[in-house]
Amino acid sequence: DTGVSQDPRHKITKRGQNVTFRCDPISEHNRLYWYRQTLGQGPEFLTYFQNEAQLEKSRLLSDRFSAERPKGSFSTLEIQRTEQGDSAMYLCASSLARGVEKLFFGSGTQLSVL
Amino acid sequence: GIQVEQSPPDLILQEGANSTLRCNFSDSVNNLQWFHQNPWGQLINLFYIPSGTKQNGRLSATTVATERYSLLYISSSQTTDSGVYFCAVPERETSGSRLTFGEGTQLTVNP
Repeated sequence: DTGVSQDPRHKITKRGQNVTFRCDPISEHNRLYWYRQTLGQGPEFLTYFQNEAQLEKSRLLSDRFSAERPKGSFSTLEIQRTEQGDSAMYLCASSLARGVEKLFFGSGTQLSVL
Repeated sequence: GIQVEQSPPDLILQEGANSTLRCNFSDSVNNLQWFHQNPWGQLINLFYIPSGTKQNGRLSATTVATERYSLLYISSSQTTDSGVYFCAVPERETSGSRLTFGEGTQLTVNP
């Protein structure tokens, strides 16, 4: 069990640029979640996948955001035309949807939009 | 959506002290999780506790689902317990564990 890994750990970009983050879940986990966390707040749900299917998206996820999990393993989260308001920690979590569903989080990607 | 309130927002302790953190939620839930976010940002799952009491070392948690609250007890606190403690519950009538988090309790344990 290597845990949930996220890459990169930090990303600094200029407003208007596109960025992509990657998440590798715990290998046997079939659910993968993306959350966003701003300073002083708890994480907010963005979207989740069961295997390769994206089952739910939050209203927070504007058209500039897109997430994929092409083979039901790793996932990417892309933000197009970044805005300063996108600056946040982007957290990925995974779980095994069988009985007790505990979420396990990665270390996150800290995005700063200048 | 469901509302989650945590108290106190901030807590400062001397090493060795005990503390109780509270989480209130606005609707019935079938899942409640406590997390610790360390100073480096890593969220660690402490408990999955929809009801009843669980213990893990110096930490224990109790959820009274009928009264819509949960408590996290930290005994003999250590400096490594510092960080933010979050409780989280699922949105009602959604699939998966689409969790709503409280705003957290910032705990500082001084040596």
